[in-house]
Amino acid sequence: GQQLNQSPQSMFIQEGEDVSMNCTSSSIFNTWLWYKQDPGEGPVLLIALYKAGELTSNGRLTAQFGITRKDSFLNISASIPSDVGIYFCAGQRAGGTSYGKLTFGQGTILTVHP
Amino acid sequence: SQTIHQWPATLVQPVGSPLSLECTVEGTSNPNLYWYRQAAGRGLQLLFYSVGIGQISSEVPQNLSASRPQDRQFILSSKKLLLSDSGFYLCAWSGPTEAFFGQGTRLTVV
Repeated sequence: GQQLNQSPQSMFIQEGEDVSMNCTSSSIFNTWLWYKQDPGEGPVLLIALYKAGELTSNGRLTAQFGITRKDSFLNISASIPSDVGIYFCAGQRAGGTSYGKLTFGQGTILTVHP
Repeated sequence: SQTIHQWPATLVQPVGSPLSLECTVEGTSNPNLYWYRQAAGRGLQLLFYSVGIGQISSEVPQNLSASRPQDRQFILSSKKLLLSDSGFYLCAWSGPTEAFFGQGTRLTVV
């Protein structure tokens, strides 16, 4: 089935550093979503992107919807220990039989050292 | 506002026993509904996807089944659990522009 390629798979950083992760696809999406999952919890929506080229911020988080509609990135500035978790990207298809269906990336495990 | 309820939060079941996990959504109509399984705290494996009542798509062959008896109710079932069914199960719903997850069920088959 449709896959999103999310990278990196894991990151080990020092507190205060900036973080960048991205997702790419061979297909067009009309919505990009970024989630964070804490251990033992369901993923929580961080940022939603709806237009190609859109740049959206949520506190220290910034995400962009790629101009080709096939990619997106998430940046975290000045990381803190509570940023630890798994980050997922997700896309919703633009049309066809899979319209509205979510497709997820494999996740990025973020570890922040104090 | 929309909310999603998933229960139970944890479950320990013996091999060969049946399973029923329930998910309900409030505050929206005709959502797309999903069941995911997550092993070892990593990727989300899509198990089932539903666009409407009685409409279920199975993404992977497995020992589980899903049903959608009502618009906002999604049930994950098994007649006989296997050890390999252990994992973290997540229900989710999506509308045209957003998607939300339940809190998850930690299933341990012993």
